[in-house]
Amino acid sequence: QSTLTQPASVSASPGQSITISCTGTSSDIGDHNYVSWYQQHPSTAPKLIIYEVSNRPSGVPDRFSGSKSGNTASLTISGLQAEDEADYFCNSYASSSTPYVFGTGTKVTVL
Amino acid sequence: QVQLVESGGGVVPPGRSLRLSCAASGFTFSNSALHWVRQAPGKGLEWVALISYDGSNTYYADSVKGRFTISRDNSKSTLYLQLSRLRHEDTAVYYCARVRVENVYYSGLDLWGQGTTVTVSS
Repeated sequence: QSTLTQPASVSASPGQSITISCTGTSSDIGDHNYVSWYQQHPSTAPKLIIYEVSNRPSGVPDRFSGSKSGNTASLTISGLQAEDEADYFCNSYASSSTPYVFGTGTKVTVL
Repeated sequence: QVQLVESGGGVVPPGRSLRLSCAASGFTFSNSALHWVRQAPGKGLEWVALISYDGSNTYYADSVKGRFTISRDNSKSTLYLQLSRLRHEDTAVYYCARVRVENVYYSGLDLWGQGTTVTVSS
């Protein structure tokens, strides 16, 4: 089954902006807008922060934003804060025998 | 209180079976599609299975197809995952999760349980 590719780690200082990429194929990210992003702190369940490429659930700060271009989705965190230090996973519907796939995950470190 | 609570995890030898449960409360369970997602120790998230709001449609990851069965009892607001022919690589925390929009399967998972741990070991 396919897996979406993310950078293993990204780091930046407080107040800076970072962008996490999520690369898939024309059978998943490139085929539709069912792309989501999740934040996971250690030993806790994931939390939905972006759905359908660029929409934020109620309560998610607007410093989190999502976008997509071709087969690659991106999560941008603007004005990085200490509490943003966590693992981030992308997720997409896929036109394949495994219809839902997650990215490899990115560890964000706030320096 | 809107929540999902998993149970049923444990230590089980390879080849054996286990049934996980996910009890829902605080929302209209029968309107929501539900997923199981797992996370092996120190690893990323892996999608496992999906069931439609009424249980009429189910989908599985290739890695568990033919071994795991997802089901639900809307009268009890409970989701299940039957794990059979377990392998060492099935060791993980198993989460149940709700789709954020009724009658849609893939629009994002907005409510997660705390997870239940399955360890496959002899």
